[in-house]
Amino acid sequence: QVQLQESGPRLVKPSETLSLTCSVSGGSIINYYWNWIRQPPGKGLEWIGDIYYSGNTNYNPSLRSRVTISVDMSKNQFSLNLRSMTAADTAVYYCARNGYGGNGGFDFWGLGTLVTVSS
Amino acid sequence: QSVLTQPPSASGTPGQRVAISCSGSSSNIGLNPVSWFQQVPGAAPRLLIYTNDQRPSGVPDRFSGSKSGTAASLAISGLQSEDEADYYCLAFDDTVIGYVFGTGTKVTVL
Repeated sequence: QVQLQESGPRLVKPSETLSLTCSVSGGSIINYYWNWIRQPPGKGLEWIGDIYYSGNTNYNPSLRSRVTISVDMSKNQFSLNLRSMTAADTAVYYCARNGYGGNGGFDFWGLGTLVTVSS
Repeated sequence: QSVLTQPPSASGTPGQRVAISCSGSSSNIGLNPVSWFQQVPGAAPRLLIYTNDQRPSGVPDRFSGSKSGTAASLAISGLQSEDEADYYCLAFDDTVIGYVFGTGTKVTVL
């Protein structure tokens, strides 16, 4: 069974950079797209971006100027960097695998990590 | 900035059938497959439907999906109390070159 686990800081100061890592166990990172999704408290889901195991990326246009997603095949993990954080970036951040042929079937998810932006 | 529109709420009594719509456009649902997710409070979303109408292993056949043109629909038949949750649709959008989630629908079991 594939498992994903997010790790990183729970509290980030305004203007700083958020760095999160998603560790994948029980399966290989190869041949899949891997995603970051976030959910502000009490609000809906927002897709942040994805990365193919080879390194190709796609980003949400509204976040593209501040986001970088990278992959480390040797560690079977991928990472999110979100720069210039503001209070509006406070959210639960999830990582997820795009299975079933990469057609949006996000079949495995991490538990999510709440990141709060505050001084 | 979601471009997929869902009704904010839906409800039904146990045993009833509930349908949730997801309205998009020619650049997303009109071109690409739709997925549906269930999210209970405090938990990560769970995949219910992929590629418009396919159910992953372990998802009860009470859940079914369909797509026509630029709209998709999730139906829950034989509604159960454990179905009370938020439901989201998802599709790739060729204009923004990325995925877009629906606005979400809260299902209440009366």
